[in-house]
Amino acid sequence: AQTVTQSQPEMSVQEAETVTLSCTYDTSESDYYLFWYKQPPSRQMILVIRQEAYKQQNATENRFSVNFQKAAKSFSLKISDSQLGDAAMYFCAYRSYYSGGGADGLTFGKGTHLIIQP
Amino acid sequence: ETGVTQTPRHLVMGMTNKKSLKCEQHLGHNAMYWYKQSAKKPLELMFVYNFKEQTENNSVPSRFSPECPNSSHLFLHLHTLQPEDSALYLCASSQGDSVAKNIQYFGAGTRLSVL
Repeated sequence: AQTVTQSQPEMSVQEAETVTLSCTYDTSESDYYLFWYKQPPSRQMILVIRQEAYKQQNATENRFSVNFQKAAKSFSLKISDSQLGDAAMYFCAYRSYYSGGGADGLTFGKGTHLIIQP
Repeated sequence: ETGVTQTPRHLVMGMTNKKSLKCEQHLGHNAMYWYKQSAKKPLELMFVYNFKEQTENNSVPSRFSPECPNSSHLFLHLHTLQPEDSALYLCASSQGDSVAKNIQYFGAGTRLSVL
């Protein structure tokens, strides 16, 4: 079974600064997907970024980028130019590439609470 | 209107009550999921449905009974719950017929309190 570990329960960053959230995972599979989701106080999980394990290039979405180290099983999220609206819980998640019919559940970490200081 | 809608937003029930949670998706997806989010624990997958068929039951107690009448609607029927079942219950949907397209979109959840 796969496991996802987020070792930082809480992180704090000044507005406009850069912050990196850590995530490690354990799997015996060679193909899989990794995700970062954001959960603001409204509770709705919002996809931030996705990485396919077979792609060496790190995914980027505007101010959000990842550092994917497959051999180290590490998947960190970097948020540049932090904004007040970035304050939320951030969850790292894993999904197997090989799934039944295309539907497969996600394995989540415990999350990191990100605080943005004005 | 959000893509995945859950009702009610909050629910308080006694241990002997029977209630149902509802999830509706407007994204044209085929797969739907129930997750449980408890304090200080990772989200736990409960059930997966793909094209109305249940494809995964993650050892969930029988006091939770899912129902998927069509690809747009998912229910979670609750009966004889325990206080430890108090949590946020999240519904999600995805394309379901393509591994590459399987990005899950979530609703805002139902906050359940069992007294």
